[in-house]
Amino acid sequence: GQNIDQPTEMTATEGAIVQINCTYQTSGFNGLFWYQQHAGEAPTFLSYNVLDGLEEKGRFSSFLSRSKGYSYLLLKELQMKDSASYLCAPLNDYKLSFGAGTTVTVRA
Amino acid sequence: ETGVTQSPTHLIKTRGQQVTLRCSSQSGHNTVSWYQQALGQGPQFIFQYYREEENGRGNFPPRFSGLQFPNYSSELNVNALELDDSALYLCASSRGTGDGYTFGSGTRLTVV
Repeated sequence: GQNIDQPTEMTATEGAIVQINCTYQTSGFNGLFWYQQHAGEAPTFLSYNVLDGLEEKGRFSSFLSRSKGYSYLLLKELQMKDSASYLCAPLNDYKLSFGAGTTVTVRA
Repeated sequence: ETGVTQSPTHLIKTRGQQVTLRCSSQSGHNTVSWYQQALGQGPQFIFQYYREEENGRGNFPPRFSGLQFPNYSSELNVNALELDDSALYLCASSRGTGDGYTFGSGTRLTVV
């Protein structure tokens, strides 16, 4: 089954760094996605990790430890437009499950 | 390439009615998943279809059913609507290899 845990809310200042942690318990693990979702919009793809380690993509990086059932999303040089919900989504037997999401608020 | 499109964008139904939501997958994608997202929550997995066969189902009652067509477009049907079915319904398609799920903009269903 799956049990996905991530913080409900985080607040940070423009230009700062924020790290969103996610722990999960799944069987048939095929990798983990991070999605960004602005209010009233569809989730958009940010990153995908299938092997342990850090994947860097511009201002966003994602880390995975399969043995610990742990991932984090790192947002650097925060901009106001980064205010959104960030969804941790393990892929389990090629089916995507989502956590409740972390709402990040960026303040000027 | 076209993305994932869903129709309608908004819908209001009465309790007890039936509804059909539609999804057109991204070109080249043979897998489609449906999700229900209540306000302030993450998307909840309803079911997934791969090449017209259901290959996974979440914790939803049988009145939630679906179809995938040969062109990989898909329908979500909900019978005997309840007030708690009010939510955003999202469709996502992929090539089934775990390399990316593309979401449509969703259908906002309100049951009154």
